[in-house]
Amino acid sequence: AQTVTQSQPEMSVQEAETVTLSCTYDTSESDYYLFWYKQPPSRQMILVIRQEAYKQQNATENRFSVNFQKAAKSFSLKISDSQLGDAAMYFCAYRSEYNFNKFYFGSGTKLNVKP
Amino acid sequence: DAGVTQSPTHLIKTRGQQVTLRCSPKSGHDTVSWYQQALGQGPQFIFQYYEEEERQRGNFPDRFSGHQFPNYSSELNVNALLLGDSALYLCASRGTGGTGELFFGEGSRLTVL
Repeated sequence: AQTVTQSQPEMSVQEAETVTLSCTYDTSESDYYLFWYKQPPSRQMILVIRQEAYKQQNATENRFSVNFQKAAKSFSLKISDSQLGDAAMYFCAYRSEYNFNKFYFGSGTKLNVKP
Repeated sequence: DAGVTQSPTHLIKTRGQQVTLRCSPKSGHDTVSWYQQALGQGPQFIFQYYEEEERQRGNFPDRFSGHQFPNYSSELNVNALLLGDSALYLCASRGTGGTGELFFGEGSRLTVL
């Protein structure tokens, strides 16, 4: 079974600084998708960024980028120029290419942004 | 464009009772999944509905059941509530094709006393 591990329960960053959130996963599959979701206090999970495993190039969305290391099964999220609105829970998630139905989530990292 | 909507937002039940949670998917989406998020944990997959049938189920007992209606909306029912069922219940929808990104609602916070 696939597992997703986020080893940092909580992190803090100064406004305008850069922070990296870590995620590792375990799978025997070669084709899959990885996601980072943000869950603010409003509770609604919002997609931050997505990475297809077959793509070697790391995904980037504005201030958000990932470092995808397939061999190491690592998928970290870098947030540049951190803003107060980035404060939230961040969840790493895995989904198989062959099963669109089931997402596996990590336990989350709470990100605090200090002014 | 309405996103995923869930009701109720909060509810309190006692052990042994039954609860029904409701979800309307994002416009244009036909697949609905339900997730349970315990406090301090990531969401756990309960089951997924497509074409009014349960297509896949996670590791949850039969006390958890669901339904999908012709308009794609869905219900999650939990019978014989236990204290451990206290959690945030998230509904997620997706359309066909694309990368299968899930769109989530704000969830229903269930407290079992």
